[in-house]
Amino acid sequence: EPEVTQTPSHQVTQMGQEVILRCVPISNHLYFYWYRQILGQKVEFLVSFYNNEISEKSEIFDDQFSVERPDGSNFTLKIRSTKLEDSAMYFCASSEARLAGTYEQFFGPGTRLTVL
Amino acid sequence: KQEVTQIPAALSVPEGENLVLNCSFTDSAIYNLQWFRQDPGKGLTSLLLIQSSQREQTSGRLNASLDKSSGRSTLYIAASQPGDSATYLCAVNDLKFYFGSGTKLNVKP
Repeated sequence: EPEVTQTPSHQVTQMGQEVILRCVPISNHLYFYWYRQILGQKVEFLVSFYNNEISEKSEIFDDQFSVERPDGSNFTLKIRSTKLEDSAMYFCASSEARLAGTYEQFFGPGTRLTVL
Repeated sequence: KQEVTQIPAALSVPEGENLVLNCSFTDSAIYNLQWFRQDPGKGLTSLLLIQSSQREQTSGRLNASLDKSSGRSTLYIAASQPGDSATYLCAVNDLKFYFGSGTKLNVKP
């Protein structure tokens, strides 16, 4: 069964460093998403991406964040200058189509980011 | 801003019981609502998706209902099993996606 994959599973970085989290969505999916979950808190929407541009973003997704689809398979989240409060589990998700209204999202296993 | 609330926060039941998990949301202008399961330290597994025009969806022992006008959804789990122990999350989609805090379910053998 197709699945969303994410690498690395765990990333440790120093405050102020840049990190890139990688995701490979399900191959025929067109919509891609990033979420984060701080330990013990709700899953929070960061951004959705369609047709090589941001579709929606939350208040959390400020200038330190960026997303990119550098090739036909990968979808990345870059955090430019990490802060302690960026420590969280980051989930990538993908969905098949938008206009058909299906929107069912399939999640990857997550990348645990620890900022020291 | 959409607010999603799930009650109860935790539930412990003996194996075999039928149970209901509740999800409420403040803005009824949603496209759909999705129920997920999350195991400790793991990702989210999609259980059921209900479109805004639908009232109900079923998958195996799971049944989810949606009353959009009142801002409520329920997830019914029939004949619970220890393997059902996990945190259950609901998420509403109004182009941005909002999750509840989840219901942590423990099914005792």
